[in-house]
Amino acid sequence: EVQLVESGEDLVQPGGSLKLSCAASGFTFSNYNIQWVRQAPGKGPECVSYISGSGDYILYADSVNGRFTVSRDNSKNTLYLQMGSLRAEDTAVYYCARVSGGGYLDYWGQGTQVTVSS
Amino acid sequence: EIVMTQSPATLSVSPGERATLSCRASQSVGSNLAWYQQKPGQAPRLLIYGASSRATGILARFSGSGSGTEFTLTISSLQSEDFAVYYCQQYHNWPRTFGQGTKVEIK
Repeated sequence: EVQLVESGEDLVQPGGSLKLSCAASGFTFSNYNIQWVRQAPGKGPECVSYISGSGDYILYADSVNGRFTVSRDNSKNTLYLQMGSLRAEDTAVYYCARVSGGGYLDYWGQGTQVTVSS
Repeated sequence: EIVMTQSPATLSVSPGERATLSCRASQSVGSNLAWYQQKPGQAPRLLIYGASSRATGILARFSGSGSGTEFTLTISSLQSEDFAVYYCQQYHNWPRTFGQGTKVEIK
């Protein structure tokens, strides 16, 4: 069974940093590209980063480019999102999601809450 | 960035009735369009990919159609478990973008 489990939930002050993790199981992790997707309260989802299976091709949304860094450790079947210079508008539930061979998101984690507030 | 626009924002439907949800892309996305269902407190769940292909385990009452810029999700006979928010997403270009959602509520 494919499983993605996010962790790292926290309340952070504006300007602060936080690192999220996503532990994967039930599939060959290194064979799949993965995305981080966030969803602010009452809003539609927003794709914030994409990382290829090998980790050598990375994309970011403009809203986080230069502040967030995505990485993965295929030996640990784990994805990371290092978040810096956090702003109130980064407050959201953050999901990791597996990218299918066709490009759509076929499996999602349960999400982890990030709150940026003073 | 491709903007995805869903309509209506809210759809009130009686159980057993048909629901038709629309999604429009600001430029062509070909057939690179997915639909997701989200219930409160849960992650989105893939329903449809490639504009019209049902994901694994999705029942036949869910169907998708369209290509280019105009897409439709149809739920043929709404069941109680179908009342949720539905999102379309294009995966033609980066950044992948979602619509703002259509909430299907009980009439």
